[in-house]
Amino acid sequence: NAGVMQNPRHLVRRRGQEARLRCSPMKGHSHVYWYRQLPEEGLKFMVYLQKENIIDESGMPKERFSAEFPKEGPSILRIQQVVRGDSAAYFCASSLDHGAPYEQYFGPGTRLTVT
Amino acid sequence: DAKTTQPNSMESNEEEPVHLPCNHSTISGTDYIHWYRQLPSQGPEYVIHGLTSNVNNRMASLAIAEDRKSSTLILHRATLRDAAVYYCILRDAAGTASKLTFGTGTRLQVTL
Repeated sequence: NAGVMQNPRHLVRRRGQEARLRCSPMKGHSHVYWYRQLPEEGLKFMVYLQKENIIDESGMPKERFSAEFPKEGPSILRIQQVVRGDSAAYFCASSLDHGAPYEQYFGPGTRLTVT
Repeated sequence: DAKTTQPNSMESNEEEPVHLPCNHSTISGTDYIHWYRQLPSQGPEYVIHGLTSNVNNRMASLAIAEDRKSSTLILHRATLRDAAVYYCILRDAAGTASKLTFGTGTRLQVTL
C-alpha cells in the first residue's frame, strides 16, 4: 500500500509565478491536510479537505493560496503570484477518518524555493 | 487544544532505551495523546497515540500517567535512525478540529 505521495519534491519558481503542489492520499483515505514549514520554524496547519469540500481553512493565508480535492485525482495546493516568503516545505497528510482517534500519514513534502 | 511541554533536546546512546517526557497538566478527559516525529529533511511520521491506557506498537510504547497529566514515549532500543524531533500533541475528541497543532518538540540525538 503506497504511502502519501507528493509531487514535485522540489519546485523553483520566480516571484510572480504560480506554484501547484500535488498530493495523492493513501489508498482508502478521503481526508487530506496541508501543512507548511517555513525555514527554521515549526509545522503549521493550513487547510483540511474531504473529497470536493474544504472543511477547515483557518490556517490558509487570505490571499493567493487556494486548495482543492476533486472527486477524481490528487489534492492541489495552489499559490498564485509567489513571493520569497512563500519559500517553505509543504507537507500533505491523509487520514482514514477525521478527529482525534485517527492518525495522519504524511508525504515527503514539496520544497518550494522562490527566487 | 490543551498545551504540552517537552524538553527542547535529549541525548541517547545507541542500543539503549529512550524515555521522552511530555507534560500536559491541562489535559481534558476527551484529549487523545499523539506522538509524531520528524526525521531530518523528511515529512512528519506518526509514532503512536493513546487515550488512557498504555499502548505498544512496533515503533514505540506510550506510557500514560494515571492522572493523565503527563506521558512518556519509550523507544526500547534507540538507533541512529531514531534521531529526530519528537512531537507530543493533544487532540480533543470532543471538538470538531482535525488539524494537528505542532509545538517545538524534543530534538533527540543518538550517538554511537
